[in-house]
Amino acid sequence: AQSVTQPDIHITVSEGASLELRCNYSYGATPYLFWYVQSPGQGLQLLLKYFSGDTLVQGIKGFEAEFKRSQSSFNLRKPSVHWSDAAEYFCAVGSTNDYKLSFGAGTTVTVRA
Amino acid sequence: ETGVTQTPRHLVMGMTNKKSLKCEQHLGHNAMYWYKQSAKKPLELMFVYNFKEQTENNSVPSRFSPECPNSSHLFLHLHTLQPEDSALYLCASSQNRAEAFFGQGTRLTVV
Repeated sequence: AQSVTQPDIHITVSEGASLELRCNYSYGATPYLFWYVQSPGQGLQLLLKYFSGDTLVQGIKGFEAEFKRSQSSFNLRKPSVHWSDAAEYFCAVGSTNDYKLSFGAGTTVTVRA
Repeated sequence: ETGVTQTPRHLVMGMTNKKSLKCEQHLGHNAMYWYKQSAKKPLELMFVYNFKEQTENNSVPSRFSPECPNSSHLFLHLHTLQPEDSALYLCASSQNRAEAFFGQGTRLTVV
């Protein structure tokens, strides 16, 4: 069974600073990997995804993530954070065999002026 | 318009009530999902339907009863719930095993 660990529960970053959110996964084969963002009281919005190919993937809102098989990681980055990036971020791993999508516990990002 | 619409957005129900959550997707996807999101816990997959057939029941108590009449609609029927069932219930859809698209959720409070 697949699983996801997001080591950081809460991160505070200054507006304009860079951001990196960590994600480690456990899966026996090459997984499908996703990052989602959730604003308060809302559903989840897909930021980016990795299925295969180039290990550096670009997403919406200026986010990117890098798949590192050797480290079982899929960290999310943004070079310059905007106040509107304050939200909760979820990493998820999907199975290639069934429809299960497993989520990490999430990282809450606070942006200070 | 997110492509996945959930109603109602908020629901308060007593422990003896029966209510239903509705989800509709306008994306032409074949798979639909129910997730439960509780505070301080990861999203929990409850049910998965693929072309109207249930493919996953993640040990969900029988007081939650899903129904998928077609690939565009998904219901979650609720009865004799407990206060610990209070949570945000999220519906999602996907085309095969591609990325899931989520609705805005139903905030359920059981009193």
